[in-house]
Amino acid sequence: GQQVMQIPQYQHVQEGEDFTTYCNSSTTLSNIQWYKQRPGGHPVFLIQLVKSGEVKKQKRLTFQFGEAKKNSSLHITATQTTDVGTYFCAGPGGGDYKLSFGAGTTVTVRA
Amino acid sequence: ETGVTQTPRHLVMGMTNKKSLKCEQHLGHNAMYWYKQSAKKPLELMFVYNFKEQTENNSVPSRFSPECPNSSHLFLHLHTLQPEDSALYLCASSPRGQGYSGNTIYFGEGSWLTVV
Repeated sequence: GQQVMQIPQYQHVQEGEDFTTYCNSSTTLSNIQWYKQRPGGHPVFLIQLVKSGEVKKQKRLTFQFGEAKKNSSLHITATQTTDVGTYFCAGPGGGDYKLSFGAGTTVTVRA
Repeated sequence: ETGVTQTPRHLVMGMTNKKSLKCEQHLGHNAMYWYKQSAKKPLELMFVYNFKEQTENNSVPSRFSPECPNSSHLFLHLHTLQPEDSALYLCASSPRGQGYSGNTIYFGEGSWLTVV
């Protein structure tokens, strides 16, 4: 079945620096979604990308969907302590009502 | 407030106990899910209910028994669990059932389960 792989698994970032986390699929995706889970919290939907090459921004977060619709990235600029958490990407897998989640990238920030 | 409410938030149970987790969604969604989250497998889909019908059982052991009496409520009945079943159990819902592309998942806050 379709699998979504995320790298890196852990990202330790100095406050103020930028970083990127990547999501790769073995198959073409109709769409890709990103979620954020704060420590001790639950995953919360951030954004959905649908079109090939699509780029969307949410303040310091930039999401991109690859041209082949097999990969996606999340770039965070000027990292802040509020960015701490685990970022999951998810793509449709085995039916449109079900998502296959990546293992997540856990971000910690050094002040 | 997520629109998906789970109770209890924390549960400690012995291996011979029977307990249930409850989930209620106030979003008018048609699909509901149980996920298990542990250190080994971050987000593991367990069950999917689509318009009250179970459409997915992701090879979950029979000691976990789901129940969906209506499209707003979902239960997870627990019986003779093992310590390795200790994890965060997340309920979720989504607007559409089968055939809808781009189904966004809304998660509850989770039930922390410890099996002793």
